[in-house]
Amino acid sequence: DGGITQSPKYLFRKEGQNVTLSCEQNLNHDAMYWYRQDPGQGLRLIYYSQIVNDFQKGDIAEGYSVSREKKESFPLTVTSAQKNPTAFYLCASSPDRDQPQHFGDGTRLSIL
Amino acid sequence: GENVEQHPSTLSVQEGDSAVIKCTYSDSASNYFPWYKQELGKRPQLIIDIRSNVGEKKDQRIAVTLNKTAKHFSLHITETQPEDSAVYFCAARYYNNNDMRFGAGTRLTVKP
Repeated sequence: DGGITQSPKYLFRKEGQNVTLSCEQNLNHDAMYWYRQDPGQGLRLIYYSQIVNDFQKGDIAEGYSVSREKKESFPLTVTSAQKNPTAFYLCASSPDRDQPQHFGDGTRLSIL
Repeated sequence: GENVEQHPSTLSVQEGDSAVIKCTYSDSASNYFPWYKQELGKRPQLIIDIRSNVGEKKDQRIAVTLNKTAKHFSLHITETQPEDSAVYFCAARYYNNNDMRFGAGTRLTVKP
């Protein structure tokens, strides 16, 4: 869906470095989500936000942080505390929790 | 946390045959069940969804059935085509944890 933009498409992290993945949507959706996808596995929820200035931890929030200062933006920071960050990260949004989620194209994060 | 179980993990069919993927969930309060198709390296795309007030929904060659008593739902693809080859994910809206839970995915291969 062209309404959700993730950047960059590929990202490399050095030892001890924090990196931030961008997610922007112009769909006027209230809810936004971050998922991690490992090879051959499903989507695991890292964080989600139902409204601006509010967010909740998902199943695997340790080593990650988020902010929701604007409705359109939900950046994800992968901190140095996340010891196994190599994965495909997907951002999604939906009008509310009971509506379909629309996904971005993803960011593939690797360790240098 | 509670998971959505999805089977089979891989499925190979001949072009023109039908394909069935099954999922089970544990939260009896779940009321929304989407299915996503993800082609290699691309974003998941919603292909069909169903809510708990109906037992079946159909969209051309794709149908989804829901059995709330047994807490399982299935995706049916008829007259499969090579372009149906992808990974399919089921999901269920979990009210206990207030989020969407995804199955581990089924890799469908349609052989010409």
